[in-house]
Amino acid sequence: DAKTTQPPSMDCAEGRAANLPCNHSTISGNEYVYWYRQIHSQGPQYIIHGLKNNETNEMASLIITEDRKSSTLILPHATLRDTAVYYCIVRASGGSYIPTFGRGTSLIVHP
Amino acid sequence: SQTIHQWPATLVQPVGSPLSLECTVEGTSNPNLYWYRQAAGRGLQLLFYSVGIGQISSEVPQNLSASRPQDRQFILSSKKLLLSDSGFYLCAWSPTSFRDRGSRVYEQYFGPGTRLTVT
Repeated sequence: DAKTTQPPSMDCAEGRAANLPCNHSTISGNEYVYWYRQIHSQGPQYIIHGLKNNETNEMASLIITEDRKSSTLILPHATLRDTAVYYCIVRASGGSYIPTFGRGTSLIVHP
Repeated sequence: SQTIHQWPATLVQPVGSPLSLECTVEGTSNPNLYWYRQAAGRGLQLLFYSVGIGQISSEVPQNLSASRPQDRQFILSSKKLLLSDSGFYLCAWSPTSFRDRGSRVYEQYFGPGTRLTVT
């Protein structure tokens, strides 16, 4: 699976959009981009995934660049409960069953 | 809907004692199952995964073992705990689904975790 690079930490004001970047410059054509988050002392929570088109669900939006070498997770109206570590993972379809979780980005939403 | 259970939530065990952590999944069949460990301030380390009853793959050599006696039950064990076994243990499951012209896309769903302290 391709390696990802994320900033170690970010902060955001409550009510504002949180834009979390992820670089995956070595991604290959059959690899999906997944985002998870882990709130302190809880298990990771699946957020969203995509291949090449932008995706949106009730939790977030995922913007993937045209060359697919980077992506951005957008939390449109961050709340204090969105404070968590956010993991960006890329994995191939039909390949390894297991995503590799790196250090992620620690997002702190402040009042 | 699917749910995943882990117990106990917290555990304090002396060095050299045995360990048994249990994970069960409801509302799905034939899930892929995983055990992860997260040391304080660290990322998730995959320990074991299973694609079916009795099928266990180990990712890291250690004094831990896993078993899957039933389709939706996954057990993590140790005969003798070490201090380095302390950590946050997470069980996860993923469905197998076919989307996008037959490609497989796996999402993982995690349990609440067990915080183990070896003293």
